[in-house]
Amino acid sequence: DSGVTQTPKHLITATGQRVTLRCSPRSGDLSVYWYQQSLDQGLQFLIQYYNGEERAKGNILERFSAQQFPDLHSELNLSSLELGDSALYFCASSVGRQGWGYGYTFGSGTRLTVV
Amino acid sequence: KNQVEQSPQSLIILEGKNCTLQCNYTVSPFSNLRWYKQDTGRGPVSLTIMTFSENTKSNGRYTATLDADTKQSSLHITASQLSDSASYICVVRGGTYKYIFGTGTRLKVLA
Repeated sequence: DSGVTQTPKHLITATGQRVTLRCSPRSGDLSVYWYQQSLDQGLQFLIQYYNGEERAKGNILERFSAQQFPDLHSELNLSSLELGDSALYFCASSVGRQGWGYGYTFGSGTRLTVV
Repeated sequence: KNQVEQSPQSLIILEGKNCTLQCNYTVSPFSNLRWYKQDTGRGPVSLTIMTFSENTKSNGRYTATLDADTKQSSLHITASQLSDSASYICVVRGGTYKYIFGTGTRLKVLA
């Protein structure tokens, strides 16, 4: 157990729908990062939050949004879902703002299937 | 363009054998390079992290090397075990908040 908790583990939904993925960071970690991993593709950085505020943005679609709550858990909202959004979505956390060193820890991911 | 390329894409070896995975990068500026192991359907787990000044770093049966001049890294696995079957991902950090991920090498260890 890495200490980073993601729920749900699996999600199946239809095109056009909206889903919310949840991530609880490791105890003491202030930063949360979201990644998308499509089949046979590398991990793509989506967005980072540090202590409740957006810190960095990667290749995140406008249909996607995220937030980090006061208790530091984060949610990734995916709307108007398309078949191509089917992927593994990973959350990672770290103590600081820049994910330095071994403190960068991944969760087990949420597998999203859009049908 | 910042890129991280890994080779081979996939590899099958017999248990007990050694193997070496390659990572070439064109990320600039360079901050550090990490190797992750990702079991199927699970999150990546860090194996090593190497900075510009480090040439070799070991973690048990895993040994990573870095040549910052040629922008190449390798991950050597010694005396492979069935549990080594996984994807191995090379990640290069190029400046603040910039992490470039390779697409990984899929290793299968057969009994």
